[in-house]
Amino acid sequence: QKEVEQDPGPLSVPEGAIVSLNCTYSNSAFQYFMWYRQYSRKGPELLMYTYSSGNKEDGRFTAQVDKSSKYISLFIRDSQPSDSATYLCAMSARKYGGSQGNLIFGKGTKLSVKP
Amino acid sequence: GAVVSQHPSWVICKSGTSVKIECRSLDFQATTMFWYRQFPKQSLMLMATSNEGSKATYEQGVEKDKFLINHASLTLSTLTVTSAHPEDSSFYICSARDLLLAGAYNEQFFGPGTRLTVL
Repeated sequence: QKEVEQDPGPLSVPEGAIVSLNCTYSNSAFQYFMWYRQYSRKGPELLMYTYSSGNKEDGRFTAQVDKSSKYISLFIRDSQPSDSATYLCAMSARKYGGSQGNLIFGKGTKLSVKP
Repeated sequence: GAVVSQHPSWVICKSGTSVKIECRSLDFQATTMFWYRQFPKQSLMLMATSNEGSKATYEQGVEKDKFLINHASLTLSTLTVTSAHPEDSSFYICSARDLLLAGAYNEQFFGPGTRLTVL
């Protein structure tokens, strides 16, 4: 079993839809959870960062962490065509991967928001 | 701010040759840079951690003699794939940490990646 599982999609939704992206993980030591957005031919950029369990909201984006289920989610409300990108979850036992920077990534989910 | 560039963005080479990939932090200084590799439909996997002025630390299973990393300055790290073979074809992406940002461990800023194809 891989440490982090993420459905690669692709996921296609109409503009204005609520998007739900998810990852599951197996390592109980993970404490820090991140979502990255990657546009075509660009590097991943940090979208959301969460420590331990709970919810975090930033504009149209909400990140949820359920450590008891080892399950994290990213919700996008009122999705826009500009949200079309690949979304990667990443996690680590130490903040931003610690000194060794070892972030464990999911495969990424390719999202397309149609106008 | 916090821009990381990579060069080249795409390279094709013959089997047996060596290829050098550059990673630069454009508007900040980075004591630590990281090199990742992503095979098609797979996750980004950390290959090595590069600290300015010292030897790189390689992840288990990554051959240090094949993937040479040099971090000679606070804004430049290079990855050289030596004697490349078709199985080395992959997407190589670097990230960097800003020296001046507060906190013991801070965010990694990623470059756009380099696609290597070995014929």
